[in-house]
Amino acid sequence: AQSVTQPDIHITVSEGASLELRCNYSYGATPYLFWYVQSPGQGLQLLLKYFSGDTLVQGIKGFEAEFKRSQSSFNLRKPSVHWSDAAEYFCAVGRRGDYKLSFGAGTTVTVRA
Amino acid sequence: GAVVSQHPSRVICKSGTSVKIECRSLDFQATTMFWYRQFPKQSLMLMATSNEGSKATYEQGVEKDKFLINHASLTLSTLTVTSAHPEDSSFYICSAREGGTSYEQYFGPGTRLTVT
Repeated sequence: AQSVTQPDIHITVSEGASLELRCNYSYGATPYLFWYVQSPGQGLQLLLKYFSGDTLVQGIKGFEAEFKRSQSSFNLRKPSVHWSDAAEYFCAVGRRGDYKLSFGAGTTVTVRA
Repeated sequence: GAVVSQHPSRVICKSGTSVKIECRSLDFQATTMFWYRQFPKQSLMLMATSNEGSKATYEQGVEKDKFLINHASLTLSTLTVTSAHPEDSSFYICSAREGGTSYEQYFGPGTRLTVT
């Protein structure tokens, strides 16, 4: 069975600073990987996804993520955060065949002025 | 494109009553819809998977008689919480998948259910 670990429960970052959110997965085959963002009381918005090919993936809102098979990681990065990036971020891995997603516990990002 | 709506966004009901939540794909046909439950400050827990025209598949530990799911068309799935109790209070989120080999799920905005 697949699983996702997001080691950081809460990260505080200054506006304009860089951000990196960690995600490690466990899956027996080539994973399908996703990063979603959730604002308070809202649904999830897809930031980016990795299915195959180039291991550095560009997403929306200036985010990118890098798939590292050797480290079973799919970390999310943004070079310069904006106050509007304050939200909950979820990493997810897709299971082949039944299309289900398993989510990590999430990382709360707080942006200070 | 790929917009999923949920209705209602918030609902308060009394203990013992039933409440229905609708999930619609507005601009695509959803072969599969998923229902999640999210507790405060926690991740999403998959409750069930529904495919159009067939019975929903429930995750282990989810009571299928309490959480009735119907996927009557390619654009609509409903979740009915029957005989609701305060412990059913939660944030319910649906997602939809277009079909084929697509793994991408499009999420609705969620429904906040409060049972008094």
